[in-house]
Amino acid sequence: TQLLEQSPQFLSIQEGENLTVYCNSSSVFSSLQWYRQEPGEGPVLLVTVVTGGEVKKLKRLTFQFGDARKDSSLHITAAQPGDTGLYLCAGFRAAGNKLTFGGGTRVLVKP
Amino acid sequence: DTGVSQDPRHKITKRGQNVTFRCDPISEHNRLYWYRQTLGQGPEFLTYFQNEAQLEKSRLLSDRFSAERPKGSFSTLEIQRTEQGDSAMYLCASSLGAGRHEQYFGPGTRLTVT
Repeated sequence: TQLLEQSPQFLSIQEGENLTVYCNSSSVFSSLQWYRQEPGEGPVLLVTVVTGGEVKKLKRLTFQFGDARKDSSLHITAAQPGDTGLYLCAGFRAAGNKLTFGGGTRVLVKP
Repeated sequence: DTGVSQDPRHKITKRGQNVTFRCDPISEHNRLYWYRQTLGQGPEFLTYFQNEAQLEKSRLLSDRFSAERPKGSFSTLEIQRTEQGDSAMYLCASSLGAGRHEQYFGPGTRLTVT
């Protein structure tokens, strides 16, 4: 059973379109991290959000942490083929000192 | 670049053989984590170390798996009597700890058990 549910599981869009990936849980996390993973490689950290309601921007990527610190979203504006990859959200609980990952959203941006 | 490194990147072994993987974390990081990732899934926690102390092991980890971090620097993960179900990507990550939650991952070791 996934503590973190990501949706959609797969997203295929044209270059220039926008997309949003969702990460939902019934549990509260101390922080939530987003990673992008290329095939055959390890996840690369994109951002960490800590405060409920927090919004962080990384160029064309906007990350939001829900007010109750149970959910998060990643929005990509004007997607490019280089944005193609597996996007993973991961929640951190200080009590457990480890990350719990969602199942991932595979994004394909076609030129 | 002194990121997390893992060796080997790929390992093919026959069922029943033992394998050992190595992870070198970022040098000032005192926490080291092992995860396993199967195709189409997110990584699953296996175990973690604070310096040389192994503080938690997942219930998913059978007794065929053992991990060490003898001097608080690099770590090894050994799988004894490998089974086909052990085929997966084994990921290592490190973090500063002490309230810093960010974990930085290595490139992974892809294990194929035939």
